[in-house]
Amino acid sequence: QQPVQSPQAVILREGEDAVINCSSSKALYSVHWYRQKHGEAPVFLMILLKGGEQKGHEKISASFNEKKQQSSLYLTASQLSYSGTYFCGPENQAGTALIFGKGTTLSVSS
Amino acid sequence: DAGITQSPRHKVTETGTPVTLRCHQTENHRYMYWYRQDPGHGLRLIHYSYGVKDTDKGEVSDGYSVSRSKTEDFLLTLESATSSQTSVYFCAITAGYGYTFGSGTRLTVV
Repeated sequence: QQPVQSPQAVILREGEDAVINCSSSKALYSVHWYRQKHGEAPVFLMILLKGGEQKGHEKISASFNEKKQQSSLYLTASQLSYSGTYFCGPENQAGTALIFGKGTTLSVSS
Repeated sequence: DAGITQSPRHKVTETGTPVTLRCHQTENHRYMYWYRQDPGHGLRLIHYSYGVKDTDKGEVSDGYSVSRSKTEDFLLTLESATSSQTSVYFCAITAGYGYTFGSGTRLTVV
């Protein structure tokens, strides 16, 4: 079952902040975040591991709440290059594959 | 680049014909994945492989089969293509602690 991402779309001006949420109906062991620009392949941003360890992008942060089965991605002081569709991908129960959400489209204008 | 290529990049085929998409990697990764991407659905897992001749089904496996006879190649076959299988297909590999996606194959079934 796909995780639920919210909001579906966000429109920002440069320098503004945004939060993208990812909720799962199943227990979370790790969550990946990816960004996809139009016409391109998704690109890995970061992974959050059970226990709070975070690896990945320097300018974007994220949180992982195991009890609430949620993860949130924080984009601060947004830049034009942040535009794209963001996907969260919790691991499946076996820990062998990612099940992605439907995505959140972020548009940043100057 | 993590050394993952997909072929063909674009294909138009007729309903009822068999189609095979190829994913090739050069880095000896154990895990390989096939996803399809459709507007409003995000990325959905079709099949994945965790070694030569070891594969498992994903969320949307009906109508698809896969084979992995060599570590470097993961093939996705549509036995009898239908219009509902018109989509962009992405292959992915795990590159340490994130997925690396191929450039995608845009398949149109007419």
